[in-house]
Amino acid sequence: DTGVSQDPRHKITKRGQNVTFRCDPISEHNRLYWYRQTLGQGPEFLTYFQNEAQLEKSRLLSDRFSAERPKGSFSTLEIQRTEQGDSAMYLCASSREESSYEQYFGPGTRLTVT
Amino acid sequence: KNQVEQSPQSLIILEGKNCTLQCNYTVSPFSNLRWYKQDTGRGPVSLTIMTFSENTKSNGRYTATLDADTKQSSLHITASQLSDSASYICVVTLRNTGRRALTFGSGTRLQVQP
Repeated sequence: DTGVSQDPRHKITKRGQNVTFRCDPISEHNRLYWYRQTLGQGPEFLTYFQNEAQLEKSRLLSDRFSAERPKGSFSTLEIQRTEQGDSAMYLCASSREESSYEQYFGPGTRLTVT
Repeated sequence: KNQVEQSPQSLIILEGKNCTLQCNYTVSPFSNLRWYKQDTGRGPVSLTIMTFSENTKSNGRYTATLDADTKQSSLHITASQLSDSASYICVVTLRNTGRRALTFGSGTRLQVQP
């Protein structure tokens, strides 16, 4: 399978705990994006990387959120001190630089904070 | 206010019937518009993409139209099938912007009943 993969697919955690999600993009894609999607809404942009550089962060990305892409391949999204409002689907997408509108999405990680 | 508005929010149709979903956008300068299909609990999958110079694009039973003057797009589904039950999301990409992400609508939830 050469598509975008995300792990885990589901995560249930208690409020206050830290969680980390992983995204493996399509191998030849140098751009990687994180989105958050709540029920009944479209995805909302969080941040994106070009290779290992984080080029833009949304104001939705509070200081409890941090994303990394240390080697320009896979990326991790960490949420510290989770809150119930963090419950959502976290989507990862990747694209080539020259066709950044052609984003391919992963299956998402569903986070539930109890 | 969301810059990409979709209607209706939800729609129920009988198997075999046709339907049309609407998308109005206010973002500019416009680069391209895409329709995505998102099954429950999965990431979005691209159906069609149109630049401002195109006014129609087909993908099997899906036909998208675009009127760049009125900033409206529609997605027409012909001879619906049970597997068409999903959310359909309209996505607009801006031209000449430092932001490499997409602007999503909230989606139309389609349910096809037997």
